[in-house]
Amino acid sequence: SQKIEQNSEALNIQEGKTATLTCNYTNYSPAYLQWYRQDPGRGPVFLLLIRENEKEKRKERLKVTFDTTLKQSLFHITASQPADSATYLCALDIIDSGTYKYIFGTGTRLKVLA
Amino acid sequence: DADVTQTPRNRITKTGKRIMLECSQTKGHDRMYWYRQDPGLGLRLIYYSFDVKDINKGEISDGYSVSRQAQAKFSLSLESAIPNQTALYFCATSNDEKLFFGSGTQLSVL
Repeated sequence: SQKIEQNSEALNIQEGKTATLTCNYTNYSPAYLQWYRQDPGRGPVFLLLIRENEKEKRKERLKVTFDTTLKQSLFHITASQPADSATYLCALDIIDSGTYKYIFGTGTRLKVLA
Repeated sequence: DADVTQTPRNRITKTGKRIMLECSQTKGHDRMYWYRQDPGLGLRLIYYSFDVKDINKGEISDGYSVSRQAQAKFSLSLESAIPNQTALYFCATSNDEKLFFGSGTQLSVL
């Protein structure tokens, strides 16, 4: 079956450390992968997109890697802050019946401790 | 003003009632989506529309219907609500890559 897996357990880290979140997928060949942030009671907000021919993408304190051989993306937040506490979702674009659509992982909840 | 607006924000209804959730956007995007989010299951696609004349079922469309009244409006209906449709519902728009989400509608079916 096709699926996207993110660590369902919450990740607790100390302020200032680097948080690393994992997204694994099976049986898909996405053209790109995205990461979103979701705060409680709010809609997800786009953070970063990485294409299949890119190994790494950075934006300020965020870094995403994409290994299409391993079918895995890693999402890093360096110098983490309590304000980074949220749930982080990965999403793939897939082609289904000739049209593109997005599917999401279940998300990983990150808590940065002061 | 929000770019993607969902109404209502919260709704409590009874089993068997017809419910409509509305979504409007000012982003000028052609593509619109309805997702539901349940704890432990993540976001699941209900329906999507790539333009006014194009409506497609997602992975969990049973029990739902949609209407794309205009480029800016995409509504989701539950013809006869049941308790397992209790969830957080999100509308989203797309510019071919990233998605822009509304603030969600928390629906409770008693």
